[in-house]
Amino acid sequence: QVQLQESGPGLVKPSQTLSLTCTVSGGSISSGGYYWSWIRQHPGKGLEWIGYIYYSGSTYYNPSLKSRVTISVDTSKNQFSLKLSSVTAADTAVYYCARGHADYWGQGTLVTVSS
Amino acid sequence: QSVLTQPPSASGTPGQRVTISCSGSSSNIGSNTVNWYQQLPGTAPKLLIYSNNQRPSGVPDRFSGSKSGTSASLAISGLQSEDEADYYCAAWDDSLNVWVFGGGTKLTVL
Repeated sequence: QVQLQESGPGLVKPSQTLSLTCTVSGGSISSGGYYWSWIRQHPGKGLEWIGYIYYSGSTYYNPSLKSRVTISVDTSKNQFSLKLSSVTAADTAVYYCARGHADYWGQGTLVTVSS
Repeated sequence: QSVLTQPPSASGTPGQRVTISCSGSSSNIGSNTVNWYQQLPGTAPKLLIYSNNQRPSGVPDRFSGSKSGTSASLAISGLQSEDEADYYCAAWDDSLNVWVFGGGTKLTVL
């Protein structure tokens, strides 16, 4: 059974870079066949796709966030990561990592942007 | 507002059948498959239906999905109290090049 776990700071200051890592267990990122996604949910709101990465490093980003987003993969650690730059309070959300079009999800991690 | 349109709320009594709609366009639902997710309070979403009407292992057959043209529906039969949750539809949008979600439907079991 594939499991995903997000990790990273729960508090980020405005204008700084949000950095999160998703560790995958129960399956190898590099086995291929799947994209690995980041999705966020603003408090009390719906879901927003941020982007995803293939094990080869190919990425697809939401155009609304593309200028600030970088998703990378480390197959040796079976991890993939999210960096979101120049954050504001509007980036406060629960961030989820997921496999592909989200057949498996992490538990989510709340990131608050505040000074 | 969301690219995919869902009713904000739905309700039913135990044992009833409830349907939740998801309306899109030719660039998303009209040309790609639809997934449905269930989000219980305080938890991560869970895949309920993929490829319009397929259930992952472990999802009860009380849940079913369908698609026609640019709309999709999720049906829940034999409604149970534990079905009280938020439900989201999702599909890839070929015009926006974005994976888009509906705004979510809060299901209340009366």
